[in-house]
Amino acid sequence: QVQLVQSGGEVKKPGASVKVSCKASGYTFTSYGINWVRQAPGQGLEWMGLISAYNANTNSAQKLQGRVTMTADTSTNTAYMELRSLRSDDTAVYYCARVAKLGSHDYWGQGTLVSVSS
Amino acid sequence: QSVLTQPPSVSGAPGQRVTISCTGSSSNIGAGYDVHWYQQLPRTAPKLLIHGNSNRPSGVPDRFSGSKSGTSASLAITGLQAEDEADYYCQSYDSSLSGWVFGGGTKLTVL
Repeated sequence: QVQLVQSGGEVKKPGASVKVSCKASGYTFTSYGINWVRQAPGQGLEWMGLISAYNANTNSAQKLQGRVTMTADTSTNTAYMELRSLRSDDTAVYYCARVAKLGSHDYWGQGTLVSVSS
Repeated sequence: QSVLTQPPSVSGAPGQRVTISCTGSSSNIGAGYDVHWYQQLPRTAPKLLIHGNSNRPSGVPDRFSGSKSGTSASLAITGLQAEDEADYYCQSYDSSLSGWVFGGGTKLTVL
């Protein structure tokens, strides 16, 4: 069965960086893209960016460009999202999600809570 | 301010029918991009409920249905059950933003 398993929660200080991993199993990793989506406490879902596991092409949300880097390791079927220059408003649960045909997200990771506080 | 607009909340009694609207624009829903719907139970990851405007993934009850017209889409839930109490999100793609967009979410309360 398809599974996306994310790394554990993180506590960071403002200005630091965080790197979240998303290990995929149960399907051909390079056949699908991975989107990163975050959810601030009590708020809605926000798309952060996409990485193609096939060719490593990425596309990120304009507001995060310059601060976010997405990578994929096809040897371990793991996608990574690194966010730099963290601010308090980056506190959120970060999800990875597989991008299915037609652009839906058919499988999601369990979420990783990143807390940014001084 | 979300690109896709949803009502913040809807409610209904058990057994009733409710609908949740999702209004976009000519650069997303109106441009022909598909709309997808997700259900998020408290403290859990979103779950795909409807894909491609009106298609239910395997295992999703037929009480859930989706439709799309023009720049809007709707999710209908019939025969409301207590377990349907959750947050619901619509999602599409936006050509102006070159990225995926979500609605702000709608909290469904089963009275």
